[in-house]
Amino acid sequence: ETGVTQTPRHLVMGMTNKKSLKCEQHLGHNAMYWYKQSAKKPLELMFVYSLEERVENNSVPSRFSPECPNSSHLFLHLHTLQPEDSALYLCASSQTQEITGNQPQHFGDGTRLSIL
Amino acid sequence: GQNIDQPTEMTATEGAIVQINCTYQTSGFNGLFWYQQHAGEAPTFLSYNVLDGLEEKGRFSSFLSRSKGYSYLLLKELQMKDSASYLCASMDSNYQLIWGAGTKLIIKP
Repeated sequence: ETGVTQTPRHLVMGMTNKKSLKCEQHLGHNAMYWYKQSAKKPLELMFVYSLEERVENNSVPSRFSPECPNSSHLFLHLHTLQPEDSALYLCASSQTQEITGNQPQHFGDGTRLSIL
Repeated sequence: GQNIDQPTEMTATEGAIVQINCTYQTSGFNGLFWYQQHAGEAPTFLSYNVLDGLEEKGRFSSFLSRSKGYSYLLLKELQMKDSASYLCASMDSNYQLIWGAGTKLIIKP
């Protein structure tokens, strides 16, 4: 149990569908992150939220839309995805954006997304 | 550009010792992290080095040489449960983590 919960664990969707990924952290952290993890590739940082404000958007296509309604919840809204978007989507949180060894990032188990 | 290199896959024997290397090139440096990720699970934090030298935590140790842009993770007395991917990440001057692609470690009996 990492303190970061992601739902669903698995999602299969067609290219025309709209779905949302959910992340909830029970650690009292102020920063939350979305990452994309593809096989044999480094983690790709997608979005960063600090105190519910988006502070980073790493040139992510507009078909991915994040939402952070409060410091404990983070969503990733998906629409009109492409087959290359199939990957593991990881949510993480940290006390602040200034990550240290005493305050590292904590990850959820991820959502395995498959686009048909 | 910023880059992290680590081997794609390694194999070791139960009870033995294995060293996983990581070299990094980042714009500035604010520390190096190692994470463990079992298949289908969350990456979990193992260690953090910001000063040169060796940090020991039980069976796991991590080493850093800032002048060489080099780190390694040392795992002793290997157990079957240590089969996992090990992710190296360097933090740049903007406190952004630059990740390696991970090293898949296979432990054989």
